[in-house]
This record gives sequence, C-alpha cells and structure tokens, in this order.
Amino acid sequence: DGGITQSPKYLFRKEGQNVTLSCEQNLNHDAMYWYRQDPGQGLRLIYYSQIVNDFQKGDIAEGYSVSREKKESFPLTVTSAQKNPTAFYLCASHGGSAFFGQGTRLTVV
Amino acid sequence: GQQLNQSPQSMFIQEGEDVSMNCTSSSIFNTWLWYKQDPGEGPVLLIALYKAGELTSNGRLTAQFGITRKDSFLNISASIPSDVGIYFCAGRPSLNNNNDMRFGAGTRLTVKP
Repeated sequence: DGGITQSPKYLFRKEGQNVTLSCEQNLNHDAMYWYRQDPGQGLRLIYYSQIVNDFQKGDIAEGYSVSREKKESFPLTVTSAQKNPTAFYLCASHGGSAFFGQGTRLTVV
Repeated sequence: GQQLNQSPQSMFIQEGEDVSMNCTSSSIFNTWLWYKQDPGEGPVLLIALYKAGELTSNGRLTAQFGITRKDSFLNISASIPSDVGIYFCAGRPSLNNNNDMRFGAGTRLTVKP
C-alpha cells in the first residue's frame, strides 16, 4: 500500500544526545516536510524539501538538521543544540495534497 | 510563518449539534485542505478544495472554498463523540510553487455525549 511511514513511534533521548527520526514514503512525491507539534498547539514547520538533494529551513529550524539523498527518505536529526526537543514530530509528503505519517513522540529524559 | 488564521481555537458542544469552523488568510490561496487529527496520530485528510466557490461534502462534513479565495469553512452536522479531535485547515498560496503548504493552528473539538 502507498503511504508515508515514520519511525519510531516513541523515542527517548538523553540530554546532550543527537537522535534521528525516520520518514519514508512510497507515494513518489517530490516534496517532504517536517513539522513539530507541542501540546495544544498547531503545526510548526521545521524543514522542507522540494526535490532530492535540496532542502530549506522552515520557521523553527534551529537545532535540527535534515538530508534528502533519496526521494523516498527525509530523515530529521534533533541535535543537542535544540534546547527544548520534547514534542510530537510529524512528517508529511505532498503531491497535490499533503499526507502525514503517524508521528514520533520524542521525550528528553 | 503561518499565514492562516483558524477559528475558533476550541469548541465544546453537545452530541447532535452542528459545528462550524473557518480559516482565513491575508493572501489568495489556490487550494484549501481540511484535516482531522486524533490524539497521538498524524492528521488525516478530510476534504480537498481546488476552485473558488467549490462546496464539497464527505459524509456529515461539508467544506467550502470561499469566493474571495481568502477563506474556507468546514461544517460538521449532527456531531457524534468520535468527531472529537483537532481539525486543521491548510492551503496552498501560490500557483507557481506547488509545494508551498501552510497550516492553521487548529480547532480542538470536544463533543459531550
């Protein structure tokens, strides 16, 4: 089945560690996005990529990094520079309409 | 940043009541999308609108693309407990950039049995 898959669903990170969240899609979409959602809040754009080997910062890119080496994959790394990383992270791909993954809940312990 | 204003921020209604929420922008949008997010899950697309004035239904849900192209409305009729969740509007502001998508802050809906 076509879709977009995020993993893991839950992730725990110690302070000072980098962690990478996976996002894979088999929808053949060029554009992929990462959003952050805090409790009771809307979606804030972290990074987006419109084509392989290209990506742009969103509204809250500080402390995050991404890569887009393959069309199907858009991993997000939450670095130690991100001071408040605990949140729900959503990946989406876009081909006319945006389709979302199931999300990854990251908790700093 | 986000260019969409979504209202209301939250709604508390009785089961069976109708619901209406809207999204407005300061610029013209060429596509409007409405999503629902259940707790702990990713948003799921409910309705997509592509033309000004378009009115589209999906079961008890009806959405409209405003004539001015700067707003959209979502109505839910005869609400039921499983309608609970966060509803997001999204829009595509540019014909020349198909990958530019903006989201509203969401409307949190609570339905009391």
